[in-house]
Amino acid sequence: NAGVTQTPKFRVLKTGQSMTLLCAQDMNHEYMYWYRQDPGMGLRLIHYSVGEGTTAKGEVPDGYNVSRLKKQNFLLGLESAAPSQTSVYFCASSYSAGTPYGYTFGSGTRLTVV
Amino acid sequence: GQQLNQSPQSMFIQEGEDVSMNCTSSSIFNTWLWYKQEPGEGPVLLIALYKAGELTSNGRLTAQFGITRKDSFLNISASIPSDVGIYFCAGQNYGGSQGNLIFGKGTKLSVKP
Repeated sequence: NAGVTQTPKFRVLKTGQSMTLLCAQDMNHEYMYWYRQDPGMGLRLIHYSVGEGTTAKGEVPDGYNVSRLKKQNFLLGLESAAPSQTSVYFCASSYSAGTPYGYTFGSGTRLTVV
Repeated sequence: GQQLNQSPQSMFIQEGEDVSMNCTSSSIFNTWLWYKQEPGEGPVLLIALYKAGELTSNGRLTAQFGITRKDSFLNISASIPSDVGIYFCAGQNYGGSQGNLIFGKGTKLSVKP
């Protein structure tokens, strides 16, 4: 099925470890986004990309890095995980800037940092 | 930055009841969107609104784009157990260079059979 695929679905990290979350979309969307979701906080934008080779900071970018080497993939990296990064991470994509059809979301990655 | 106030934060209702939730903003938007997130899944688009005053339905769901462009509401009629989830409003100003969605904090809906 066409859509946004996130891997892994679950991960437990020790404080200080690093990891990369992968997001892949097969809809030929230009724009891709990484959000984190915490109880009572809604969805907060971490980083986004407006096209292959570009990235930009969102609302809560500290402690994360991203790369968009291929149009269909958007990677989110944690260089040195902290307990405050325990969250559910969602990737999303859209056809263009401010498409009136909103975003298509992946099913999320649940990350626990101990 | 822009913020959306979504209320109520949570609702516990009996099957068959109607539900109403709303979102307000200090800024205007030219698109309002409503998403539903089921447990363990990502948000899925329910309804998109593009014009001030617009009223749009999707089955038992009805949403309206406020005339001031600063608010929107979502109604669910005759709720059923599968309506359980978190409902998010989102505002967007498409046509700009960014057009990022701004999300409300969600309304968690519980339906008792």
